[in-house]
Amino acid sequence: DQQVKQNSPSLSVQEGRISILNCDYTNSMFDYFLWYKKYPAEGPTFLISISSIKDKNEDGRFTVFLNKSAKHLSLHIVPSQPGDSAVYFCAASAGSGAGSYQLTFGKGTKLSVIP
Amino acid sequence: ETGVTQTPRHLVMGMTNKKSLKCEQHLGHNAMYWYKQSAKKPLELMFVYSLEERVENNSVPSRFSPECPNSSHLFLHLHTLQPEDSALYLCASSLETGFTDTQYFGPGTRLTVL
Repeated sequence: DQQVKQNSPSLSVQEGRISILNCDYTNSMFDYFLWYKKYPAEGPTFLISISSIKDKNEDGRFTVFLNKSAKHLSLHIVPSQPGDSAVYFCAASAGSGAGSYQLTFGKGTKLSVIP
Repeated sequence: ETGVTQTPRHLVMGMTNKKSLKCEQHLGHNAMYWYKQSAKKPLELMFVYSLEERVENNSVPSRFSPECPNSSHLFLHLHTLQPEDSALYLCASSLETGFTDTQYFGPGTRLTVL
């Protein structure tokens, strides 16, 4: 049973527009969430995180929104650039519990930004 | 070398072979991880080491045997694997094992078991 779901395997967006990547989770113990980006032939790289005490975290063009009641988070990229084309993974951790290093990942969404 | 490196990048082995995957981190971190990513599945945590001591073994079959001789090096010894073990094996490291300690990943080893 998948505890972190990224229901869109792929997404295409025009350069300069907004990219919105979605992630849903089922485990109410999750209280820390991360987004990783992965280029082909490279390992995932950390992008941005959010703690459950917040509902928004911003870093430059990247903003993560958390809706705890809906168990939903989203990553917004504005404006989208061709270099953003990659696979984006959502991950979650029960940060306040034992084994908090245990990240549960979604399957990823492949973003293609069209010039 | 910087970051997290993994060798080899690609490996093809038969079911009766014994091979090892190597991971090295140049970040001064104390925690290291092995993950497995099978086709169309999420990344799955296999093992966690903190200061060379194993703190997690996520019900991984004994045909996978990790070794952490020091905080900079991590090995995954493979023997009598099955074709379903074919996957991308990723190593990661973090400063400590706290949930806010960002995990930095290597590029992975693409393993094919024939």
